[in-house]
Amino acid sequence: QSALTQPASVSGSPGQSITISCTGTSSDVGGYNYVSWYQQHPGKAPKLMIYDVSNRPSGVSNRFSGSKSGNTASLTISGLQAEDEADYYCSSYTSSITLVFGGGTKLTVL
Amino acid sequence: QLQLQESGPGLVKPSETLSLTCTVSGDSISSSSYYWDWIRQPPGKGLEWIGSIYYSGRTYYNKSLQSRVTISVDTSKNQFSLKLNSVTAADTAVYYCARHTQVAGTRGPAVDPWGQGSLVTVSS
Repeated sequence: QSALTQPASVSGSPGQSITISCTGTSSDVGGYNYVSWYQQHPGKAPKLMIYDVSNRPSGVSNRFSGSKSGNTASLTISGLQAEDEADYYCSSYTSSITLVFGGGTKLTVL
Repeated sequence: QLQLQESGPGLVKPSETLSLTCTVSGDSISSSSYYWDWIRQPPGKGLEWIGSIYYSGRTYYNKSLQSRVTISVDTSKNQFSLKLNSVTAADTAVYYCARHTQVAGTRGPAVDPWGQGSLVTVSS
């Protein structure tokens, strides 16, 4: 199973919105509405931010939203804040009954 | 509140076996709603799912590691374990244990929570 494809980096200014894409295949992202997104600050464990494409766990800001079209899922962060600066990873369930992660995207808040 | 804690040697010699244990507290590992995962992250790189186990012992592995990996569960101790054989420097990583929800209808495998991670270095 190949890793899902994410841009290596994105950036935005405080208050702006950014979108991170996550591209897979019909055997993972495109085949199931089971895409999750994780935020990871340096030296910390990843934190679940979005599950099942667009659902937010309790306690996650509504500035974070998710969507999917075909084989590509997206994470949008609106009203960027300094604390959003982190690495972001997407993950998908696959037809092999396994999980696969994206390569990760470094978000820089300018 | 569910907590997971990894434990095991921080240094393993090349060609030997990496062994880690995850101790679960705050909930039973025998819950029918969840699978238990091992995920790793080489220094400065991305996340790689290693495999999952159900409390019954049913396992699923990453095909790229399948020949070297064994995940087991001990429900009496509320623990699950990872063994990775024939390690090389490429297996140096932070190893996380975690839990994901069982796939059922509209509910997919969200990984949450995660342990704090355990750095394992492969070096002679």
